[in-house]
Order: sequence, then C-alpha cells, then structure tokens
Amino acid sequence: KNQVEQSPQSLIILEGKNCTLQCNYTVSPFSNLRWYKQDTGRGPVSLTIMTFSENTKSNGRYTATLDADTKQSSLHITASQLSDSASYICVVSPPEAGNQFYFGTGTSLTVIP
Amino acid sequence: DAGVIQSPRHEVTEMGQEVTLRCKPISGHNSLFWYRQTMMRGLELLIYFNNNVPIDDSGMPEDRFSAKMPNASFSTLKIQPSEPRDSAVYFCASSSRGEQFFGPGTRLTVL
Repeated sequence: KNQVEQSPQSLIILEGKNCTLQCNYTVSPFSNLRWYKQDTGRGPVSLTIMTFSENTKSNGRYTATLDADTKQSSLHITASQLSDSASYICVVSPPEAGNQFYFGTGTSLTVIP
Repeated sequence: DAGVIQSPRHEVTEMGQEVTLRCKPISGHNSLFWYRQTMMRGLELLIYFNNNVPIDDSGMPEDRFSAKMPNASFSTLKIQPSEPRDSAVYFCASSSRGEQFFGPGTRLTVL
C-alpha cells in the first residue's frame, strides 16, 4: 500500500478560481513533507517544504498546510493561472532513512480559460 | 548554473539492447538520485549516492540495472538488457542540504 495518497487524481478549474489538493500519508514519524510542481515534459520543482513541527508554508499563490495529528497536508492555490496546469506531487521523508522519500502519485491540475 | 543536465533527452531502443543514461549534477551538490516515473507507479527512487558513494540501491528493480558515479560531476544509469517494461521517464536529481533539484529527464522507450 502506498504510504502517500493524493486526491483528487485530476482536477479541472477555471482560471482565477482557487483550488485545494490533498495529501494523506501513513509515514510516521517523518522528517519533512514537500510539495512539488511538475510541468509536462519537465522534472519536478519544489514548491514548499515543511518540517513536522510546521503547520503552514507559503510560496506566492501556493500555501501548504500540515496537520501532523491527522497525517494530512493540503496545497491551496489562489487565483489560479493557466501556468498552474501541471502535476502536483506530495513527498514525505521519514527521519531515520537518510534520503529515503515516499512519493504520492500526484494530482493533475488543468486550468482552463 | 545550468541545473542538472541529463542526456539523452529521448531514447528509443529495441528489447535486449544496452541503454546508458547520463547525468551531470549541479556543481557543489554532494547527493545524487536516480528516479523512474511511469503513469502507473508515479515517481520511484532507484538509487542515490552521497559523495559519489552508493548509499541505497534498494529501489533498483533487478540486476539488469546498474548505476555508477565515478566522480562528483557525472553519473550513469545502465540497463542491460533492456525490456519493454523499462519504458519510462528517468530523472536524475542532485541535492545539497536536503533540497532536491531535478533534471529534465530522459524518456526511454523500449520496443
């Protein structure tokens, strides 16, 4: 069973609207949780990184939240733009395994005009 | 800095052939990672190096896969012999202090 589950698998929204992507994980304990954006045909790019003690982190129009008690994270995108169309991947790292990472399968977001 | 450089960007080969993927990490980064990405399984870590030494290769699918890092500025991932199920996008990433930077990937198609 994948230790990081993301929802929805795909999402279509109108330009200018907000949206929220979800990430549920079972990795415990963990060191940090990352959100990556992956444009089609390119490698993932880091958006936010949060340690287990943080509950929110912003990067421009992107805001990630973390609830370590419920093992949930969300990525909120405000005032979406066409360039936000991409896959968004949640990644969790346990503290004891060096650089071990657990990847979600991602949410594919399409922003339409 | 040009970022992580991978070559080739696309590779089409026939089953049974040897395939070599190349990666040049960002200068000064001491960790290097090889990933495979498919629609079905998403991103999977294959192997990572720390200071040119392989640390964890538990993600390497089988003996047909091998990776080397002869120096701090170059790494290869080799598949021999290749099989159609190896078709995927292979990413190399490098990091310093935890933040990973991904290359553009190599799209491998094995016919």
